[in-house]
Amino acid sequence: AQTVTQSQPEMSVQEAETVTLSCTYDTSENNYYLFWYKQPPSRQMILVIRQEAYKQQNATENRFSVNFQKAAKSFSLKISDSQLGDTAMYFCAFIGVGGADGLTFGKGTHLIIQP
Amino acid sequence: DSGVTQTPKHLITATGQRVTLRCSPRSGDLSVYWYQQSLDQGLQFLIQYYNGEERAKGNILERFSAQQFPDLHSELNLSSLELGDSALYFCASSVEDRVRAEAFFGQGTRLTVV
Repeated sequence: AQTVTQSQPEMSVQEAETVTLSCTYDTSENNYYLFWYKQPPSRQMILVIRQEAYKQQNATENRFSVNFQKAAKSFSLKISDSQLGDTAMYFCAFIGVGGADGLTFGKGTHLIIQP
Repeated sequence: DSGVTQTPKHLITATGQRVTLRCSPRSGDLSVYWYQQSLDQGLQFLIQYYNGEERAKGNILERFSAQQFPDLHSELNLSSLELGDSALYFCASSVEDRVRAEAFFGQGTRLTVV
């Protein structure tokens, strides 16, 4: 079974700063997908960014980018020019290509953007 | 708005009771997934249906069951409820059988067992 670990329960940065959220995972699978989901106070789970393990290029979505290190099983999320609306819980998630176990989530990082 | 609709938004019930949570997936999505989010266990995958058939099973208790109907909406039935079943229950949907692309989440049903 796979596990996802987010070692930072909470982080706080000033608006406009850059912040990096850490995620490591453990799996014996070679092909899989990794995700970062955002959960604001509204509780809605929103996909931030997605990475396919067989792609070496790191995914980027506007101010959000990842640093995917397959050998190290590391998948960190970088948020540039942070905004107040980025305040939320962020969850790292994994799914194997087979998808037999659904998404496996980390415990989450509570990110607070200070004005 | 993700396009996934969950009802009810909130539910308060007593121990030992049975409840049904409903999920309508996005138009065109054939897969429905159920997840439980609790303070103790975090987000856990419960079960997946694809086009009416059970596809994958996670940490779903025997007291819980689900089904997907011909119109693709899904229901999660929770019976003999215990205090520990209090949680946020999410439904998500996707086009494909497997979550290779984005899974769209509903806003969840907050279940409180008293």
